[in-house]
Amino acid sequence: EDKVVQSPLSLVVHEGDTVTLNCSYEVTNFRSLLWYKQEKKAPTFLFMLTSSGIEKKSGRLSSILDKKELFSILNITATQTGDSAIYLCAVVSLQYSGYSTLTFGKGTMLLVSP
Amino acid sequence: DAGVTQSPTHLIKTRGQHVTLRCSPISGHKSVSWYQQVLGQGPQFIFQYYEKEERGRGNFPDRFSARQFPNYSSELNVNALLLGDSALYLCASSLSGTDTQYFGPGTRLTVL
Repeated sequence: EDKVVQSPLSLVVHEGDTVTLNCSYEVTNFRSLLWYKQEKKAPTFLFMLTSSGIEKKSGRLSSILDKKELFSILNITATQTGDSAIYLCAVVSLQYSGYSTLTFGKGTMLLVSP
Repeated sequence: DAGVTQSPTHLIKTRGQHVTLRCSPISGHKSVSWYQQVLGQGPQFIFQYYEKEERGRGNFPDRFSARQFPNYSSELNVNALLLGDSALYLCASSLSGTDTQYFGPGTRLTVL
């Protein structure tokens, strides 16, 4: 059974701090790893990672994948209160019938205090 | 460009009732997936449809069913509701089902 584990489950930081969120996985037929931000309802897409060692960056957020050690990290620098959200890691795996499924971790709840 | 839309936004039902949730994908996307997210957990895969055919099904009972229409919109049906079906139901669309999925705002279902 595919498995995605995120840590920590929750985190409280002060504005301006840098945070690192972790995601480890065990899946068969790995295709890619996705990071989403969930504030109220809909998870919004942040990054898709398919290759090891290549950093994806968007503003203050960056992420990298290690396919040998089966994990990914999401970094947020100079955190702001608007970064407060649940961050979800999901792994895309290819099923035998040819479709792909997303297996999600439980998420990391980040609270940034002013 | 409109994103994924879902209706209704909230729904309250009683045990034993039936519910239908609706989803319209991003224009041009032919695949729709459904997920259930209970409080404190990540979304769990229920179904994936592509070109009106069911491609995959997660570990959910037969009370859950879905379909996709010629315009690629989709319905999720849940029969004989249980208290444990209370959750946020998310719909995600993608071009082919094998690429990045984009989520709708969800339907919050409460079963009393």
